[in-house]
Amino acid sequence: TQLLEQSPQFLSIQEGENLTVYCNSSSVFSSLQWYRQEPGEGPVLLVTVVTGGEVKKLKRLTFQFGDARKDSSLHITAAQPGDTGLYLCAGAISNYKLTFGKGTLLTVNP
Amino acid sequence: DAGVTQSPTHLIKTRGQQVTLRCSPISGHKSVSWYQQVLGQGPQFIFQYYEKEERGRGNFPDRFSARQFPNYSSELNVNALLLGDSALYLCASSLSKTEAFFGQGTRLTVV
Repeated sequence: TQLLEQSPQFLSIQEGENLTVYCNSSSVFSSLQWYRQEPGEGPVLLVTVVTGGEVKKLKRLTFQFGDARKDSSLHITAAQPGDTGLYLCAGAISNYKLTFGKGTLLTVNP
Repeated sequence: DAGVTQSPTHLIKTRGQQVTLRCSPISGHKSVSWYQQVLGQGPQFIFQYYEKEERGRGNFPDRFSARQFPNYSSELNVNALLLGDSALYLCASSLSKTEAFFGQGTRLTVV
């Protein structure tokens, strides 16, 4: 059973467009992380959100944690080809393990 | 500063063989976790070690084992390899409770 559902699974857009990817669960998380992974590489941590309703910005990326701490979204403004990659959300329920979604594979075409 | 380093980067093994994967955490990080990522899926939790003790174990068979050394480096061992064990094995180190920093992974292919 996948605790974290990510949508869409695949997304192909043109450079300059905006996009939002979603991470949803029926479970409450103590924290949630977003990672970006390129082929053959390990995931790179983008952000950690902890408080319900929290919004964090990282340049053109905006992350939001749901009020109930069960869901999150990642919005990218004016996407660039360098944003291409697999975006993974991961939720922490216990102190020692992260539960990952299957990821959203983003392709930004020049 | 060096990040999490894993070795080897790629490995090909035959069914039934045993494999050992190695991980060095970020300096100062005492917690090491192992994840398995098969193609098209997110990483799945295998183990976490903190101060040389196992803190958690995922839903993996007993063929999977790990240990952590006094210098906080870690090894993941898999016995009696199956074709389905082919995956990217990721090591992550942590300073806080759950925020994890990953290495580049070891790509294991079982033939």
